[in-house]
Amino acid sequence: GESVGLHLPTLSVQEGDNSIINCAYSNSASDYFIWYKQESGKGPQFIIDIRSNMDKRQGQRVTVLLNKTVKHLSLQIAATQPGDSAVYFCAENIKVGGGADGLTFGKGTHLIIQP
Amino acid sequence: GAVVSQHPSWVICKSGTSVKIECRSLDFQATTMFWYRQFPKQSLMLMATSNEGSKATYEQGVEKDKFLINHASLTLSTLTVTSAHPEDSSFYICSVQGRTYGYTFGSGTRLTVV
Repeated sequence: GESVGLHLPTLSVQEGDNSIINCAYSNSASDYFIWYKQESGKGPQFIIDIRSNMDKRQGQRVTVLLNKTVKHLSLQIAATQPGDSAVYFCAENIKVGGGADGLTFGKGTHLIIQP
Repeated sequence: GAVVSQHPSWVICKSGTSVKIECRSLDFQATTMFWYRQFPKQSLMLMATSNEGSKATYEQGVEKDKFLINHASLTLSTLTVTSAHPEDSSFYICSVQGRTYGYTFGSGTRLTVV
């Protein structure tokens, strides 16, 4: 089936710098996207989401950009902190509002914050 | 989003035995819950959708007779790994879809079959 994938498996960033994590999706019917942070041995933690009728959404220190033309999603984290070190997953859903569907996850990017 | 509790957080069992994992939605009546599996250094893979009062829906390649799902109430879904084998060792995570958008995940259960 179609899948969501990530470009980079590992990203190392200096503390205080901004980071960008990218994600490509292949299902043009996807209408809802979520970024999750997962620390070792824990469940995924919601960061930010975006619907397909938007191209940008901002949260606290995080911004998600959606480019439907090229089916690309990115997560920007500003002023990275040591606590940002984790694995980040993008996920998609294609039936929001029309029924309950599980999420399709990307491969994940391990973000390492260097002191 | 919903508050989700998963238990146990880790379990070790002998090969051939069965293990039950519980997922509770603490503040939201969830008609649907989801079960995922995650192998080390890999992504989450949806195993099945748990439907309150009816049969679970399994993803392709997931054995329904091996991974028994029961969703008898609006706040509890259970996943039973039957006749567990070492290859079933994994991180199992449940999820609840909130009232609007958003999915909240449990803290996961680390299953080790020896």
